[in-house]
Amino acid sequence: KNQVEQSPQSLIILEGKNCTLQCNYTVSPFSNLRWYKQDTGRGPVSLTIMTFSENTKSNGRYTATLDADTKQSSLHITASQLSDSASYICVVPLGGGGNKLTFGTGTQLKVEL
Amino acid sequence: DAGVTQSPTHLIKTRGQQVTLRCSPKSGHDTVSWYQQALGQGPQFIFQYYEEEERQRGNFPDRFSGHQFPNYSSELNVNALLLGDSALYLCASSFRVTEEKLFFGSGTQLSVL
Repeated sequence: KNQVEQSPQSLIILEGKNCTLQCNYTVSPFSNLRWYKQDTGRGPVSLTIMTFSENTKSNGRYTATLDADTKQSSLHITASQLSDSASYICVVPLGGGGNKLTFGTGTQLKVEL
Repeated sequence: DAGVTQSPTHLIKTRGQQVTLRCSPKSGHDTVSWYQQALGQGPQFIFQYYEEEERQRGNFPDRFSGHQFPNYSSELNVNALLLGDSALYLCASSFRVTEEKLFFGSGTQLSVL
């Protein structure tokens, strides 16, 4: 069964600290993995898109890693800010590409003072 | 440059009614996908439209139907509403079916009473 699982389900950190979110997927065939940030009541916004040949990709304070052998990805956030409080969703397309996407249930991150 | 716009932002209906949600894609985009996001869950793929035709469909009943117009805008129709249809409905657009970077609208929050 094609699935995307994320951990932890929720996370609270202090402003300025780093954190790492995890994603395991069983979608096959695999073409790419995406991380999205979703603020409450808003649509998801793309952070990174990684193909199977990429191990690491950065977007500002966000760094995503991908291990296609173990089918795991992580999203590392450095020097967290209050505005980072959101749901972070790991997404993998079904059928090897296109936009029929399988979304994880997300990690709810809260950054506090 | 307007992004993806959806209307209405909020909607309240009763069981058995019918609803139409609307989406205008980002300028330059020709492909529209619709997703349903229940509270606390990741979005679920409903269907995708390109060149005014449904190209892919997720695991949703025939009560969910759609349309794409020549100007690339799209509608999602849901008939015989059920309480379980209460969710955030997201529209996403891209250039061509295979483009990987999706832009999401802010969604329509549908409540079925």
